[in-house]
Amino acid sequence: AQRVTQPEKLLSVFKGAPVELKCNYSYSGSPELFWYVQYSRQRLQLLLRHISRESIKGFTADLNKGETSFHLKKPFAQEEDSAMYYCALSGRDSGAGSYQLTFGKGTKLSVIP
Amino acid sequence: NAGVTQTPKFRILKIGQSMTLQCAQDMNHNYMYWYRQDPGMGLKLIYYSVGAGITDKGEVPNGYNVSRSTTEDFPLRLELAAPSQTSVYFCASSLDPGLGASTDTQYFGPGTRLTVL
Repeated sequence: AQRVTQPEKLLSVFKGAPVELKCNYSYSGSPELFWYVQYSRQRLQLLLRHISRESIKGFTADLNKGETSFHLKKPFAQEEDSAMYYCALSGRDSGAGSYQLTFGKGTKLSVIP
Repeated sequence: NAGVTQTPKFRILKIGQSMTLQCAQDMNHNYMYWYRQDPGMGLKLIYYSVGAGITDKGEVPNGYNVSRSTTEDFPLRLELAAPSQTSVYFCASSLDPGLGASTDTQYFGPGTRLTVL
């Protein structure tokens, strides 16, 4: 079975401080990892995916297969980064005919002015 | 494009009542999904569809039914509402994954907040 763990429910940082949102996963195959974000009163949307190797809004995430992690990082937090962040894994679940996304429980990031 | 739309936004049901949560997308996506999100929990997949006429169970399908008669619409039916179905329901859609990819970006609706009393 595939599993995604986000150990922090809430993370508070000061504006300008570095941010790291942790994500660990469990999956026997080759995973695809994503970060989704939900800003206040907006719908859930994709922030970035590991296969794109891109930086979105200053955020980056590196897949570390040895540590089974996909932590989200930003060097200098901004107030507009305050949101719920969900880590997600795409894998073919046992018995399933197609790939499914498994979400972590989410981390609420609060950036203090 | 309106993207993914969901109706209603809020609903309160009594135990044993039935209702249909509507979901539509105008992006010509073949893949559509229904998730539920309980307080403090991640999203859990209820049902999904890879095209019109094709649906399959996700992680938590009990108590729900779906149909997919058109590419655009993917309604979720609750036949006998129970308090355990109190949750926020999200519909999402995506393109077919490209060759070598397992999934494409999922686009989410705004959600329906359902309370069963």
